[in-house]
Amino acid sequence: GENVGLHLPTLSVQEGDNSIINCAYSNSASDYFIWYKQESGKGPQFIIDIRSNMDKRQGQRVTVLLNKTVKHLSLQIAATQPGDSAVYFCAENMGGNKLVFGAGTILRVKS
Amino acid sequence: SAVISQKPSRDICQRGTSLTIQCQVDSQVTMMFWYRQQPGQSLTLIATANQGSEATYESGFVIDKFPISRPNLTFSTLTVSNMSPEDSSIYLCSAGQGRGGYTFGSGTRLTVV
Repeated sequence: GENVGLHLPTLSVQEGDNSIINCAYSNSASDYFIWYKQESGKGPQFIIDIRSNMDKRQGQRVTVLLNKTVKHLSLQIAATQPGDSAVYFCAENMGGNKLVFGAGTILRVKS
Repeated sequence: SAVISQKPSRDICQRGTSLTIQCQVDSQVTMMFWYRQQPGQSLTLIATANQGSEATYESGFVIDKFPISRPNLTFSTLTVSNMSPEDSSIYLCSAGQGRGGYTFGSGTRLTVV
């Protein structure tokens, strides 16, 4: 179905601080989750993924946490930089190998 | 990961006309998808492009309005038919080998006047 939203929530952080972006997913049967970053005028770019048999996965400066009990996903960005400013989307694999995207969050990094 | 070339990058079209968007992947991929993104909003899945068979459409999207072709494992087209101003949006192609972690094209920004 459609993801309807007139405005994306915005998270403003100071350069060098840590950022936490949250996402609630819809399907308890989803078994694979991905975070994407979308910069203005570009397509979404893969950041990090996690399978449902894990609750935490770390990458370079990023960590994804999965709480299946409350169907919640979070993306933590350490030492946020101006280049991290973008829109961040979580996506879930709801079966059939297709991804359904969450509403998105705008991250603004203040220098 | 696959690299996707999508064209045109943008277009301005008259209402009632049709536009075909092309998606070329630099390697053979199992899965290809088409999404729509309204300005300031999230991505909505239009359909899964199936190689050699009819596309699988999501609720709210129909083949007559959004015909899709996928003649091989590296190429797909999406046509937006009989356009109206409500079709003004960004259309994105996505591809990968299954499960997720798909690559996206840069999108086609369509304005219907």
